[in-house]
Amino acid sequence: NAGVTQTPKFQVLKTGQSMTLQCAQDMNHNSMYWYRQDPGMGLRLIYYSASEGTTDKGEVPNGYNVSRLNKREFSLRLESAAPSQTSVYFCASSALDSNQPQHFGDGTRLSIL
Amino acid sequence: GNSVTQMEGPVTLSEEAFLTINCTYTATGYPSLFWYVQYPGEGLQLLLKATKADDKGSNKGFEATYRKETTSFHLEKGSVQVSDSAVYFCALSASQAGTALIFGKGTTLSVSS
Repeated sequence: NAGVTQTPKFQVLKTGQSMTLQCAQDMNHNSMYWYRQDPGMGLRLIYYSASEGTTDKGEVPNGYNVSRLNKREFSLRLESAAPSQTSVYFCASSALDSNQPQHFGDGTRLSIL
Repeated sequence: GNSVTQMEGPVTLSEEAFLTINCTYTATGYPSLFWYVQYPGEGLQLLLKATKADDKGSNKGFEATYRKETTSFHLEKGSVQVSDSAVYFCALSASQAGTALIFGKGTTLSVSS
């Protein structure tokens, strides 16, 4: 059972570089999410996709873009990386039901120099 | 707006001690409430959940009761083990389907033998 798969697991970038974080789920979930986790801040929502074909901004969307490629895949793009985007990024998915839990990937640890 | 407040850590306990991690929330409507656990270097895993008032979620010896009158969802365990050392997150899901979780900032638990 793969669940939610994120790639890559680790990445180091230079300021100004771009990159795309990939996320795929195999649970036939409608909703997918991108969070960032910073020390003492908990998890903060960057973007989410309630269902295929829709995306919405979360709490901290600046500097990011997303693409819901299909029902399985939801990617996060940093167009011009900044040191403030150094973080651990988590993708999650859930059924379209607020009573159902979200399932998380193992995270991408991103450092921007 | 919706929010979650959980006790600041770290919490340091000896093995077999009693654990309480406080969590209170602010929400409109009738949210679902969750506790997630994050072991070092891993993603978040659902520990337990409760979807309506007076529900008790339980798993692996952990329990939490959804108290609407005090807007609380405190996590308890009668006898902690070294393997319970992790970061614990309280979270709520608003009643609207497809919306993201709102997390507390996390509480680090360290259990020594």
